[in-house]
Amino acid sequence: KAGVTQTPRYLIKTRGQQVTLSCSPISGHRSVSWYQQTPGQGLQFLFEYFSETQRNKGNFPGRFSGRQFSNSRSEMNVSTLELGDSALYLCASRTDELAGGRADTQYFGPGTRLTVL
Amino acid sequence: AQSVTQLDSQVPVFEEAPVELRCNYSSSVSVYLFWYVQYPNQGLQLLLKYLSGSTLVKGINGFEAEFNKSQTSFHLRKPSVHISDTAEYFCASDSGAGSYQLTFGKGTKLSVIP
Repeated sequence: KAGVTQTPRYLIKTRGQQVTLSCSPISGHRSVSWYQQTPGQGLQFLFEYFSETQRNKGNFPGRFSGRQFSNSRSEMNVSTLELGDSALYLCASRTDELAGGRADTQYFGPGTRLTVL
Repeated sequence: AQSVTQLDSQVPVFEEAPVELRCNYSSSVSVYLFWYVQYPNQGLQLLLKYLSGSTLVKGINGFEAEFNKSQTSFHLRKPSVHISDTAEYFCASDSGAGSYQLTFGKGTKLSVIP
């Protein structure tokens, strides 16, 4: 099976712009999560989608949003970009079949490196 | 709230020497624990996970970890490291039923010296 794919891999934007990142999960996986990775804050959970519904959201401002489509593909959007949004954005998918999802292995994509100038 | 602490930010070790990467977690409920590895310019790859049962968990690439409930630890070990093990390692816990998220430690950069 193909792994989790993320597009684009690299992105450069300027402050105030908005950006959309895309994630295609492993075939058959219905849960998609997003994480932000920065040198200062490490890996932080953004949100998780299952069957087109957001089930959980991390502690990020409303400028960060996402959605999931019927084929489980997911997008995240960041509006009004700030310098501090520069980060590696990682998407992860899992089947969500075991123990309510807790025990499932999350498979991560290679990430999208966003640079805000 | 759950938290995961990785006690060492960087660990240098000579090739073929053993290594231990330390991880402590805090949780008032049962917790599932994971170790991930990240190579440069790549995403995270699962090394191993503890769900229940035997406290010694074996993973890929010769790594193993031991769950210690009394010490709230989940240390990662490898008896003999290779140059290819140079990477950043992350310990993580799930955040309890219904939350569907992983809480990560800050990571430990393992540098294997030839």
